[in-house]
Amino acid sequence: NAGVTQTPKFQVLKTGQSMTLQCAQDMNHNSMYWYRQDPGMGLRLIYYSASEGTTDKGEVPNGYNVSRLNKREFSLRLESAAPSQTSVYFCASSASGTSGYLGGNIQYFGAGTRLSVL
Amino acid sequence: KQEVTQIPAALSVPEGENLVLNCSFTDSAIYNLQWFRQDPGKGLTSLLLIQSSQREQTSGRLNASLDKSSGRSTLYIAASQPGDSATYLCAVNLGKSRWNNRLAFGKGNQVVVIP
Repeated sequence: NAGVTQTPKFQVLKTGQSMTLQCAQDMNHNSMYWYRQDPGMGLRLIYYSASEGTTDKGEVPNGYNVSRLNKREFSLRLESAAPSQTSVYFCASSASGTSGYLGGNIQYFGAGTRLSVL
Repeated sequence: KQEVTQIPAALSVPEGENLVLNCSFTDSAIYNLQWFRQDPGKGLTSLLLIQSSQREQTSGRLNASLDKSSGRSTLYIAASQPGDSATYLCAVNLGKSRWNNRLAFGKGNQVVVIP
């Protein structure tokens, strides 16, 4: 029962480098999300994908791109990393939209990726 | 813009006492509200979800209430234990249907239960 798996767990980048954070879920969920968590700011939504084939901006999308590769996988890309992107990144998924299933809105989180940009 | 506030930011209680954690939000037009637990260095675990039409939800020693009209939710943890030490996060669902599930989080209540 893996749930939501994020890779890598830790990463150090230099300013201007690019990287992709990977996320995969094995719960057959429709929706997937990317958040960042910063001290004093709480969790903020970067991008989300309500269903396979769709993506939408969240609260803080600047500097990021996403790809919903298939129903299982949702990746987050930093094209040119900046020190302001130093953060802990969380991926989540939910079974949103499932008819008659009130619990479908529950979001399940991965363990996070700790990213430092120097 | 929806603002979610959690007070107090941090608290310590002796083991056995009841915990009361407060969450307030500025826009009452929410689809549901969730309480999460986060342990240091870990991801979030969902504790309770309250639909906008519900007044409360219970799971074991946990009880969460929702007063949507006043923009408030309270999480009660009965007979606290050292294992309850964690950060508790409140999140409101900004979406308008079961298809739209965007969460706005508070900054959390950091709880320490003293043995």
